[in-house]
Amino acid sequence: DTAVSQTPKYLVTQMGNDKSIKCEQNLGHDTMYWYKQDSKKFLKIMFSYNNKELIINETVPNRFSPKSPDKAHLNLHINSLELGDSAVYFCASSPAYGQGYFGPGTRLLVL
Amino acid sequence: AQSVSQHNHHVILSEAASLELGCNYSYGGTVNLFWYVQYPGQHLQLLLKYFSGDPLVKGIKGFEAEFIKSKFSFNLRKPSVQWSDTAEYFCAVTPQNSGYALNFGKGTSLLVTP
Repeated sequence: DTAVSQTPKYLVTQMGNDKSIKCEQNLGHDTMYWYKQDSKKFLKIMFSYNNKELIINETVPNRFSPKSPDKAHLNLHINSLELGDSAVYFCASSPAYGQGYFGPGTRLLVL
Repeated sequence: AQSVSQHNHHVILSEAASLELGCNYSYGGTVNLFWYVQYPGQHLQLLLKYFSGDPLVKGIKGFEAEFIKSKFSFNLRKPSVQWSDTAEYFCAVTPQNSGYALNFGKGTSLLVTP
């Protein structure tokens, strides 16, 4: 059983397109996150949701919009994709003490 | 500014060599500390964590880390590395007022040669 799953695993698209990445966790955690890993492998928090409520929103372009329909799901929608959005996006969930359980990542390539 | 620093960006070791990767953080107050590993093409896996108690923490695959509060450090060690330890290693910190999001260091790329 996959604890944190993401779809799609790979996403190749043209500049200007809109795309979504889906994330689901079956661990019963209240908190979910989106992290971005750039080409230099640096990981940075983008968003954090606790029980469907946004609690962290780092300096991320407003082209990125997270949506949490329920506490087991946290989707990421990206409008007007740019070349610089190419990265690996990781979804994660955690219990109260912050140990993150990470999904397999979505490798986004914007052409 | 709050930050997590990993001093070694690239480390190359021969099999059976000992490993120590440095991690320092600059957060005030109580923090939780983690080391994650990312094998090539894979997602992050937790190696070990420190919340409180014994500052010497043992993790999976023979890794351990020592929390030294006075030095704001949480260095990762392994007495004898294997080729299969080749991976990226990330130190991470969660200050308790941060919503528990992980703040990562820039990572250390470890290459173990046969």
